[in-house]
Amino acid sequence: QKEVEQDPGPLSVPEGAIVSLNCTYSNSAFQYFMWYRQYSRKGPELLMYTYSSGNKEDGRFTAQVDKSSKYISLFIRDSQPSDSATYLCAMSQGAQKLVFGQGTRLTINP
Amino acid sequence: KAGVTQTPRYLIKTRGQQVTLSCSPISGHRSVSWYQQTPGQGLQFLFEYFSETQRNKGNFPGRFSGRQFSNSRSEMNVSTLELGDSALYLCASRDRQGQETQYFGPGTRLLVL
Repeated sequence: QKEVEQDPGPLSVPEGAIVSLNCTYSNSAFQYFMWYRQYSRKGPELLMYTYSSGNKEDGRFTAQVDKSSKYISLFIRDSQPSDSATYLCAMSQGAQKLVFGQGTRLTINP
Repeated sequence: KAGVTQTPRYLIKTRGQQVTLSCSPISGHRSVSWYQQTPGQGLQFLFEYFSETQRNKGNFPGRFSGRQFSNSRSEMNVSTLELGDSALYLCASRDRQGQETQYFGPGTRLLVL
């Protein structure tokens, strides 16, 4: 079983929809949770960063962490075609390596 | 600030050859990590260097090695290439080892024939 599980999709939604992306994990020592966005043929770009449990909002993006359930989410409101990319969750135990989910390929249809 | 840069962007090698990839971190960043990304395994951690010392290592064979120079630039070497080494190799930097967020370069796409 992988430490971090993420549904690879693909996920296709119409423009303007609310998108929900999720990851589950097994290592309760993870404290730092990140979401990266990766466009085709590009490196991952840091989107959101959260420490421990709670919510964090940045514009149309909201990250949620529920450590009791070992479950993290990324919500995208008013989705745009430019949001079409692969979204990767990542987590770490502080100054350790990042452990990534498989990535979810998202397409926003105009 | 300029981002993380990686060279070359694309490489084609044959089995048995060796390859060296280069990474220049964001100016002022002292930690460099390397990751391998494949469709089947996703992003997997190779190793991290901080101040010219390897600090963490992933579960890859000894054919994968790296080093970091005094200017924080890093190189990764893969010897005796195998077909399964075909992947996108990503470099990420952070300004200190204890910082959790990492910033990635565009990657080097390696194809082994």
